[in-house]
Amino acid sequence: DAGVIQSPRHEVTEMGQEVTLRCKPISGHNSLFWYRQTMMRGLELLIYFNNNVPIDDSGMPEDRFSAKMPNASFSTLKIQPSEPRDSAVYFCASSLGGGPYGYTFGSGTRLTVV
Amino acid sequence: GENVEQHPSTLSVQEGDSAVIKCTYSDSASNYFPWYKQELGKGPQLIIDIRSNVGEKKDQRIAVTLNKTAKHFSLHITETQPEDSAVYFCAASSYGANSKLTFGKGITLSVRP
Repeated sequence: DAGVIQSPRHEVTEMGQEVTLRCKPISGHNSLFWYRQTMMRGLELLIYFNNNVPIDDSGMPEDRFSAKMPNASFSTLKIQPSEPRDSAVYFCASSLGGGPYGYTFGSGTRLTVV
Repeated sequence: GENVEQHPSTLSVQEGDSAVIKCTYSDSASNYFPWYKQELGKGPQLIIDIRSNVGEKKDQRIAVTLNKTAKHFSLHITETQPEDSAVYFCAASSYGANSKLTFGKGITLSVRP
């Protein structure tokens, strides 16, 4: 298996632009997580899905952030409009069976908003 | 909610020495404690975990110990090697299909050759 695949690896955008981050989980995994990593706050859970259904989005910082999982093999995290404080590394992770076990992380998307 | 703290934030050891990384957690309901290793430019990778029904678990050069009374758990790496240099995250969670991990902020381990 190719693991969790995220795209793009790097994204540089101007403040106010829309940004879409993409994730393909491991085939057969039914849970998907979006995390944001910064030096100040570490790894923060933004939202997670079980069987394509959002279970907890309490970590989504503002209405500017939205996430979708239209099918078992694809998820997006969208920021609109983007702001400089959104600059971070965004990770997607997937796991099998729900719960906190055996997360497999992607390599992340480094987002820079200028 | 759960709060996980790691100390120290950086740790430097000589190759061949042991390294110990400590974490504390706040929620007494937490009963699952994994450790993740993040190498530069990569996502975190699960290296070992422990559940609350055991006090210690080993896997080759790494081991994790858990003290539920004191609400702390530690990662022990013996015979450290340069490839052990990375950021290590501890995390905590309760069981259940909708449970989620709360991560510490990470510790940067440097192994000096």
